[in-house]
Amino acid sequence: SAVISQKPSRDICQRGTSLTIQCQVDSQVTMMFWYRQQPGQSLTLIATANQGSEATYESGFVIDKFPISRPNLTFSTLTVSNMSPEDSSIYLCSVARGTGANVLTFGAGSRLTVL
Amino acid sequence: DQQVKQNSPSLSVQEGRISILNCDYTNSMFDYFLWYKKYPAEGPTFLISISSIKDKNEDGRFTVFLNKSAKHLSLHIVPSQPGDSAVYFCAAMRGSARQLTFGSGTQLTVLP
Repeated sequence: SAVISQKPSRDICQRGTSLTIQCQVDSQVTMMFWYRQQPGQSLTLIATANQGSEATYESGFVIDKFPISRPNLTFSTLTVSNMSPEDSSIYLCSVARGTGANVLTFGAGSRLTVL
Repeated sequence: DQQVKQNSPSLSVQEGRISILNCDYTNSMFDYFLWYKKYPAEGPTFLISISSIKDKNEDGRFTVFLNKSAKHLSLHIVPSQPGDSAVYFCAAMRGSARQLTFGSGTQLTVLP
């Protein structure tokens, strides 16, 4: 399975600031996903990062709040903009590789705390 | 609208006994189901999966059962070990989208 590196692993941020999370995969992958896990809750899909085009956002998530880049097949970034305490979560990058890859592999996550 | 539900937030079992984790879903379009295990400060790791055309899949100590008519699946761990203590997430996938819909997770604690 793919090896995924996420940076930062954790951060404490001030209200109103923005933070960019990086996701690097050790091989080319077709599909990359960004998930959020709020404290004590399940993982929720934020968006699918598409290489060469705009990300596809799920209901309740918008590009202005969570801009995503996917410059190539091994890298993506998620920015959490104008943060509030409600954005305190673990943000996870996930990849699927190949047309038959039903199993998603996850990075270790980036734990953000917004004060 | 919670399409995948894990109604038990926690479960404790004795080492060596069977652990049974349950999951219900509402969307009949789901055709692939997975179980992930998550330790603190780590990302979820894939454990076992099952296609909707099957009713059972086994991998060592782990067996997943699928009851399509009841829209219910379960994960059996036999025998349970202390290292199995983690949060277990049930997840479902629809078609070729490969986006996962997760349940809320069950914290399994295996007591030595």
